[in-house]
Amino acid sequence: GQQVMQIPQYQHVQEGEDFTTYCNSSTTLSNIQWYKQRPGGHPVFLIQLVKSGEVKKQKRLTFQFGEAKKNSSLHITATQTTDVGTYFCAGRDYGGSQGNLIFGKGTKLSVKP
Amino acid sequence: ETGVTQSPTHLIKTRGQQVTLRCSSQSGHNTVSWYQQALGQGPQFIFQYYREEENGRGNFPPRFSGLQFPNYSSELNVNALELDDSALYLCASSLNVGGPETQYFGPGTRLLVL
Repeated sequence: GQQVMQIPQYQHVQEGEDFTTYCNSSTTLSNIQWYKQRPGGHPVFLIQLVKSGEVKKQKRLTFQFGEAKKNSSLHITATQTTDVGTYFCAGRDYGGSQGNLIFGKGTKLSVKP
Repeated sequence: ETGVTQSPTHLIKTRGQQVTLRCSSQSGHNTVSWYQQALGQGPQFIFQYYREEENGRGNFPPRFSGLQFPNYSSELNVNALELDDSALYLCASSLNVGGPETQYFGPGTRLLVL
């Protein structure tokens, strides 16, 4: 079945450093979504990418969807302590039911002040 | 906040018991999806309900069942609880209009099975 792999599993950075997490799917995705989950919290929707090669920015966050629609990345510039949490990508493939988002295992980001 | 609510927030059950979890979707949304998130893992899709019918199911046994009501709220029922059912159960509401859906998660119910 479809698998979504995310690397790295953990990332420790000094405040002000950049951070990137990568997401790869075993199948072509119809769209990909990114979520952030704070410790003890629930996933909070960040963004959805639909088009091949799409790039979207939200302040210090840059999201990319690969040309083949099988990979994606999230890059944070100049991390802050408020960026702490686990970042998940979640993809939906063309063969899956409408609701079936397949989540990666997430990248846990810690930021040292 | 998303406007998606779940109850209860925490629950402790013993093996073999049954549990019902509830979810109220965001106003205007017609679809509810349920996910199980084990500690340190990403959410895993259980099933989705749209217009009161199951609209897709993940790799979960039949003892996981659900309902959606005319007001689009939903229940997740788990029978014959097992220790491995201990997890955070998340519901996510969305608006199904035929295109890509954005799912908004509720705060979750933390279930502990002893």
